[in-house]
Amino acid sequence: DSGVTQTPKHLITATGQRVTLRCSPRSGDLSVYWYQQSLDQGLQFLIQYYNGEERAKGNILERFSAQQFPDLHSELNLSSLELGDSALYFCASSSGVGWRDTQYFGPGTRLTVL
Amino acid sequence: GDSVTQMEGPVTLSEEAFLTINCTYTATGYPSLFWYVQYPGEGLQLLLKATKADDKGSNKGFEATYRKETTSFHLEKGSVQVSDSAVYFCALANAGNMLTFGGGTRLMVKP
Repeated sequence: DSGVTQTPKHLITATGQRVTLRCSPRSGDLSVYWYQQSLDQGLQFLIQYYNGEERAKGNILERFSAQQFPDLHSELNLSSLELGDSALYFCASSSGVGWRDTQYFGPGTRLTVL
Repeated sequence: GDSVTQMEGPVTLSEEAFLTINCTYTATGYPSLFWYVQYPGEGLQLLLKATKADDKGSNKGFEATYRKETTSFHLEKGSVQVSDSAVYFCALANAGNMLTFGGGTRLMVKP
Protein backbone atom coordinates (compact mmCIF):
# COMPACT_ATOMS: atom_id res chain seq x y z
CA ASP A 1 0.00 0.00 0.00
CA SER A 2 1.62 3.23 -1.20
CA GLY A 3 -0.58 5.49 0.91
CA VAL A 4 -2.00 7.19 -2.19
CA THR A 5 -5.75 6.69 -2.63
CA GLN A 6 -7.81 7.11 -5.77
CA THR A 7 -11.54 7.03 -6.30
CA PRO A 8 -13.47 5.61 -7.98
CA LYS A 9 -11.74 2.36 -8.86
CA HIS A 10 -13.81 1.89 -12.00
CA LEU A 11 -15.85 4.33 -14.06
CA ILE A 12 -18.02 3.56 -17.07
CA THR A 13 -19.54 6.41 -19.02
CA ALA A 14 -20.65 7.44 -22.49
CA THR A 15 -19.01 9.58 -25.15
CA GLY A 16 -19.52 13.29 -24.67
CA GLN A 17 -19.85 13.02 -20.90
CA ARG A 18 -17.72 14.56 -18.16
CA VAL A 19 -16.13 12.74 -15.21
CA THR A 20 -14.04 13.64 -12.20
CA LEU A 21 -11.30 11.46 -10.78
CA ARG A 22 -10.09 12.03 -7.25
CA CYS A 23 -6.71 11.49 -5.62
CA SER A 24 -5.48 11.83 -2.05
CA PRO A 25 -1.70 11.94 -1.71
CA ARG A 26 0.38 10.28 0.98
CA SER A 27 0.35 12.07 4.28
CA GLY A 28 2.83 14.93 4.13
CA ASP A 29 3.35 14.86 0.36
CA LEU A 30 2.86 18.19 -1.37
CA SER A 31 3.20 17.14 -5.01
CA VAL A 32 0.55 15.29 -7.00
CA TYR A 33 1.09 13.92 -10.49
CA TRP A 34 -1.42 12.49 -12.97
CA TYR A 35 -0.58 9.81 -15.54
CA GLN A 36 -2.57 8.05 -18.23
CA GLN A 37 -1.88 4.41 -19.11
CA SER A 38 -3.34 3.13 -22.36
CA LEU A 39 -2.48 0.16 -24.55
CA ASP A 40 -1.38 2.23 -27.53
CA GLN A 41 0.31 5.17 -25.77
CA GLY A 42 1.80 3.44 -22.74
CA LEU A 43 2.28 5.47 -19.56
CA GLN A 44 2.17 9.20 -20.17
CA PHE A 45 2.58 12.10 -17.78
CA LEU A 46 -0.31 14.53 -17.79
CA ILE A 47 0.26 17.19 -15.15
CA GLN A 48 1.84 17.99 -11.78
CA TYR A 49 0.66 20.17 -8.91
CA TYR A 50 2.70 21.28 -5.95
CA ASN A 51 1.01 22.75 -2.90
CA GLY A 52 -1.93 23.93 -4.95
CA GLU A 53 0.00 25.35 -7.88
CA GLU A 54 0.51 23.83 -11.33
CA ARG A 55 4.21 22.98 -11.75
CA ALA A 56 4.58 20.93 -14.90
CA LYS A 57 2.47 19.97 -17.85
CA GLY A 58 2.84 16.97 -20.13
CA ASN A 59 0.62 15.52 -22.81
CA ILE A 60 -2.63 16.73 -21.32
CA LEU A 61 -5.48 17.45 -23.71
CA GLU A 62 -7.36 20.74 -23.54
CA ARG A 63 -10.51 18.76 -22.67
CA PHE A 64 -8.78 17.67 -19.47
CA SER A 65 -8.09 19.84 -16.46
CA ALA A 66 -6.89 19.31 -12.92
CA GLN A 67 -6.60 21.14 -9.65
CA GLN A 68 -5.18 20.63 -6.19
CA PHE A 69 -7.16 21.79 -3.20
CA PRO A 70 -5.97 23.33 0.09
CA ASP A 71 -6.17 19.92 1.78
CA LEU A 72 -3.81 18.72 -0.99
CA HIS A 73 -6.17 16.27 -2.61
CA SER A 74 -6.40 16.59 -6.37
CA GLU A 75 -9.08 16.11 -8.99
CA LEU A 76 -8.68 15.36 -12.68
CA ASN A 77 -11.62 16.47 -14.79
CA LEU A 78 -12.16 14.86 -18.17
CA SER A 79 -14.82 16.36 -20.44
CA SER A 80 -16.32 15.73 -23.88
CA LEU A 81 -15.14 12.18 -23.49
CA GLU A 82 -14.14 10.14 -26.52
CA LEU A 83 -13.67 6.41 -26.96
CA GLY A 84 -9.91 6.94 -27.02
CA ASP A 85 -9.96 8.36 -23.50
CA SER A 86 -10.59 4.87 -22.15
CA ALA A 87 -7.52 4.13 -20.03
CA LEU A 88 -6.13 3.68 -16.56
CA TYR A 89 -5.51 6.98 -14.83
CA PHE A 90 -2.91 6.99 -12.09
CA CYS A 91 -2.16 9.56 -9.49
CA ALA A 92 1.22 9.72 -7.79
CA SER A 93 2.57 11.87 -4.98
CA SER A 94 5.96 12.95 -3.70
CA SER A 95 7.19 14.98 -0.79
CA GLY A 96 8.93 17.71 -2.72
CA VAL A 97 8.73 19.54 -5.99
CA GLY A 98 11.93 18.28 -7.57
CA TRP A 99 12.12 15.70 -10.27
CA ARG A 100 14.51 13.57 -8.26
CA ASP A 101 11.88 12.93 -5.59
CA THR A 102 10.48 9.41 -5.59
CA GLN A 103 6.90 9.25 -6.78
CA TYR A 104 4.46 6.87 -5.08
CA PHE A 105 1.55 5.67 -7.17
CA GLY A 106 -2.06 5.04 -6.32
CA PRO A 107 -4.01 1.97 -7.52
CA GLY A 108 -5.52 3.84 -10.45
CA THR A 109 -8.98 4.55 -11.84
CA ARG A 110 -10.05 2.52 -14.84
CA LEU A 111 -12.15 4.66 -17.17
CA THR A 112 -14.23 3.01 -19.86
CA VAL A 113 -15.95 5.25 -22.41
CA LEU A 114 -18.69 3.51 -24.39
CA GLY B 1 13.43 14.67 -25.82
CA ASP B 2 14.05 12.05 -23.18
CA SER B 3 13.17 8.45 -23.96
CA VAL B 4 13.42 4.98 -22.44
CA THR B 5 13.62 1.74 -24.38
CA GLN B 6 12.95 -1.64 -22.83
CA MET B 7 13.15 -5.11 -24.24
CA GLU B 8 9.78 -6.31 -25.44
CA GLY B 9 8.07 -9.10 -23.63
CA PRO B 10 6.70 -11.29 -22.57
CA VAL B 11 9.69 -12.84 -20.87
CA THR B 12 8.87 -16.36 -19.73
CA LEU B 13 11.15 -18.06 -17.23
CA SER B 14 11.07 -21.08 -14.98
CA GLU B 15 11.25 -20.58 -11.24
CA GLU B 16 14.82 -20.03 -9.95
CA ALA B 17 16.06 -18.88 -13.37
CA PHE B 18 18.22 -15.77 -13.80
CA LEU B 19 16.44 -12.66 -14.97
CA THR B 20 17.71 -9.76 -17.06
CA ILE B 21 15.43 -7.07 -18.44
CA ASN B 22 17.30 -4.59 -20.62
CA CYS B 23 16.70 -0.86 -20.38
CA THR B 24 18.50 1.92 -22.24
CA TYR B 25 17.76 5.61 -22.16
CA THR B 26 18.33 8.83 -24.03
CA ALA B 27 18.46 12.00 -21.96
CA THR B 28 20.34 15.22 -21.55
CA GLY B 29 22.13 15.88 -18.32
CA TYR B 30 22.11 13.46 -15.44
CA PRO B 31 18.70 11.88 -14.94
CA SER B 32 17.62 9.67 -12.07
CA LEU B 33 16.67 6.15 -13.10
CA PHE B 34 13.93 3.93 -11.70
CA TRP B 35 12.39 0.50 -11.99
CA TYR B 36 8.71 0.22 -11.16
CA VAL B 37 6.69 -3.00 -10.98
CA GLN B 38 2.98 -3.39 -11.68
CA TYR B 39 1.27 -6.53 -10.39
CA PRO B 40 -2.00 -7.57 -12.02
CA GLY B 41 -4.83 -5.19 -11.16
CA GLU B 42 -2.62 -2.89 -9.13
CA GLY B 43 -0.82 0.42 -9.46
CA LEU B 44 2.90 0.91 -9.95
CA GLN B 45 5.25 0.24 -7.08
CA LEU B 46 8.77 1.59 -6.89
CA LEU B 47 11.18 -1.33 -7.03
CA LEU B 48 14.53 0.45 -6.98
CA LYS B 49 16.25 3.64 -8.06
CA ALA B 50 19.66 5.15 -8.78
CA THR B 51 20.44 8.84 -8.90
CA LYS B 52 23.96 9.01 -10.31
CA ALA B 53 26.39 7.13 -12.50
CA ASP B 54 27.68 3.81 -11.09
CA ASP B 55 25.01 3.78 -8.37
CA LYS B 56 23.46 0.38 -7.80
CA GLY B 57 19.85 0.20 -6.76
CA SER B 58 18.66 -2.98 -5.07
CA ASN B 59 15.51 -4.31 -3.46
CA LYS B 60 13.88 -7.73 -2.89
CA GLY B 61 16.75 -9.47 -4.70
CA PHE B 62 16.51 -7.21 -7.75
CA GLU B 63 19.48 -5.05 -8.78
CA ALA B 64 20.24 -2.47 -11.45
CA THR B 65 23.37 -0.38 -12.01
CA TYR B 66 23.31 3.10 -13.54
CA ARG B 67 25.77 2.90 -16.47
CA LYS B 68 26.29 6.31 -18.00
CA GLU B 69 28.83 5.11 -20.56
CA THR B 70 26.30 2.71 -22.08
CA THR B 71 23.19 4.73 -21.05
CA SER B 72 21.72 1.60 -19.51
CA PHE B 73 19.95 0.48 -16.36
CA HIS B 74 19.36 -3.24 -16.79
CA LEU B 75 17.29 -5.06 -14.17
CA GLU B 76 18.62 -8.37 -12.83
CA LYS B 77 17.60 -11.01 -10.33
CA GLY B 78 19.50 -14.15 -9.59
CA SER B 79 16.57 -16.47 -8.91
CA VAL B 80 13.02 -15.51 -9.87
CA GLN B 81 9.88 -16.74 -8.15
CA VAL B 82 6.33 -17.20 -9.41
CA SER B 83 5.38 -14.19 -7.29
CA ASP B 84 7.69 -11.99 -9.41
CA SER B 85 5.30 -12.33 -12.36
CA ALA B 86 4.33 -8.76 -13.22
CA VAL B 87 5.00 -5.94 -15.66
CA TYR B 88 8.27 -4.07 -15.09
CA PHE B 89 8.74 -0.46 -16.16
CA CYS B 90 12.04 1.35 -16.51
CA ALA B 91 11.75 5.12 -16.09
CA LEU B 92 13.85 8.23 -15.90
CA ALA B 93 13.30 11.57 -14.23
CA ASN B 94 14.93 14.71 -15.53
CA ALA B 95 14.32 18.43 -15.39
CA GLY B 96 10.67 18.90 -16.22
CA ASN B 97 9.25 17.22 -13.15
CA MET B 98 7.94 14.14 -14.86
CA LEU B 99 8.76 10.49 -15.21
CA THR B 100 9.39 9.16 -18.71
CA PHE B 101 8.53 5.47 -18.89
CA GLY B 102 9.58 2.66 -21.14
CA GLY B 103 6.92 0.50 -22.71
CA GLY B 104 7.00 -2.11 -19.95
CA THR B 105 8.12 -5.74 -20.00
CA ARG B 106 5.79 -8.49 -18.90
CA LEU B 107 7.51 -11.25 -16.91
CA MET B 108 5.87 -14.64 -16.50
CA VAL B 109 7.48 -17.12 -14.14
CA LYS B 110 6.34 -20.72 -14.33
CA PRO B 111 6.68 -23.20 -11.46
